[in-house]
Amino acid sequence: AQSVSQHNHHVILSEAASLELGCNYSYGGTVNLFWYVQYPGQHLQLLLKYFSGDPLVKGIKGFEAEFIKSKFSFNLRKPSVQWSDTAEYFCAVNSPNLGGSQGNLIFGKGTKLSVKP
Amino acid sequence: DTGVSQDPRHKITKRGQNVTFRCDPISEHNRLYWYRQTLGQGPEFLTYFQNEAQLEKSRLLSDRFSAERPKGSFSTLEIQRTEQGDSAMYLCASSLDRTTNEKLFFGSGTQLSVL
Repeated sequence: AQSVSQHNHHVILSEAASLELGCNYSYGGTVNLFWYVQYPGQHLQLLLKYFSGDPLVKGIKGFEAEFIKSKFSFNLRKPSVQWSDTAEYFCAVNSPNLGGSQGNLIFGKGTKLSVKP
Repeated sequence: DTGVSQDPRHKITKRGQNVTFRCDPISEHNRLYWYRQTLGQGPEFLTYFQNEAQLEKSRLLSDRFSAERPKGSFSTLEIQRTEQGDSAMYLCASSLDRTTNEKLFFGSGTQLSVL
């Protein structure tokens, strides 16, 4: 079965620090990859997604992620975090080759990011 | 607000009782999903509707769980004979089947506590 691993449970950074959140998935075939974010008191929302093409994907609010197929990774990065980036970040994956709907996502356990002002 | 809405926001029930949750997706969205999220975990897929047809069900969806989307608009998720292990956040999401780059829009969820 597919699985998604997020290595960090809780990351604490100061404003202006650089961010990298790790995400690894287990399936070796074609995958679609996502990062969702949940700000305090809000619903989950899409940050960025990768389906094909350029493995460096840019999302909202200055976030980007790089798909490295050989490492089964899709790490999230931001060069300089802000206090408003405090949230929980979820990596998710699905595969068109495994059947199932496109919205049937396998999520990681999430990483809580706390940014100190 | 024209996002996905879920009702109620919180539900406390006693073990063995039945509960029902409602989800109203974004109006033009034809796809609707239910997920469950427990503490410290990411969301887990439960079931998927395209219009009124339930096309996919997870193994997590035991016989005590039933979901409907009778007119292809709102959906209900019922849990019969609740157990303490059913305590979780139940999330609804919707999307529009227009492209292959499917983006899910999530609601705020219904937090279920089974005592």
